[in-house]
Amino acid sequence: GIQVEQSPPDLILQEGANSTLRCNFSDSVNNLQWFHQNPWGQLINLFYIPSGTKQNGRLSATTVATERYSLLYISSSQTTDSGVYFCAVALNYQLIWGAGTKLIIKP
Amino acid sequence: EPEVTQTPSHQVTQMGQEVILRCVPISNHLYFYWYRQILGQKVEFLVSFYNNEISEKSEIFDDQFSVERPDGSNFTLKIRSTKLEDSAMYFCASRSDRGTEAFFGQGTRLTVV
Repeated sequence: GIQVEQSPPDLILQEGANSTLRCNFSDSVNNLQWFHQNPWGQLINLFYIPSGTKQNGRLSATTVATERYSLLYISSSQTTDSGVYFCAVALNYQLIWGAGTKLIIKP
Repeated sequence: EPEVTQTPSHQVTQMGQEVILRCVPISNHLYFYWYRQILGQKVEFLVSFYNNEISEKSEIFDDQFSVERPDGSNFTLKIRSTKLEDSAMYFCASRSDRGTEAFFGQGTRLTVV
């Protein structure tokens, strides 16, 4: 099956810093999504991005499908950005999830 | 913007009891999913549902689990006799027939004591 690897596993930053999170996947996919899981465990949909680039405020994402990776950029980090960021991919609709990047933003 | 809603947000139950987790998918979506996340672990696929029947299920989805669409709006996950290891976040998702994006609810935290 498809393997999904996220890096780094943990990231601690000062408020205001920028960060790049990476998601590598092992096979062609027709869906790639990024999620933020807040400290209460709730999942927040960030991006649906099987290819190309999207931006939403301080967040943006790029997927290079031919090279099987996606990047999530967070600029000017805020403490509310803390949590776990998940990448999930699918070829036949069932999402396969990475282990996540745990992000801590210190004030 | 349409969203998937899940209730309750947190449920505590005694071992051996039956629980029903409820989801209201986005209204024009046809494909429904349940996923599970044990604390500190990856999110895992449980089951997919289309046209009033299960289309795919994982090894986790054994005989103690069942899903139902009892009416035109709700999608439920039932756990017949809960075990301590069923404690997890349970996420519902739905998808239209026009694309591959899955829309997730915010989850139900199930605690079995």
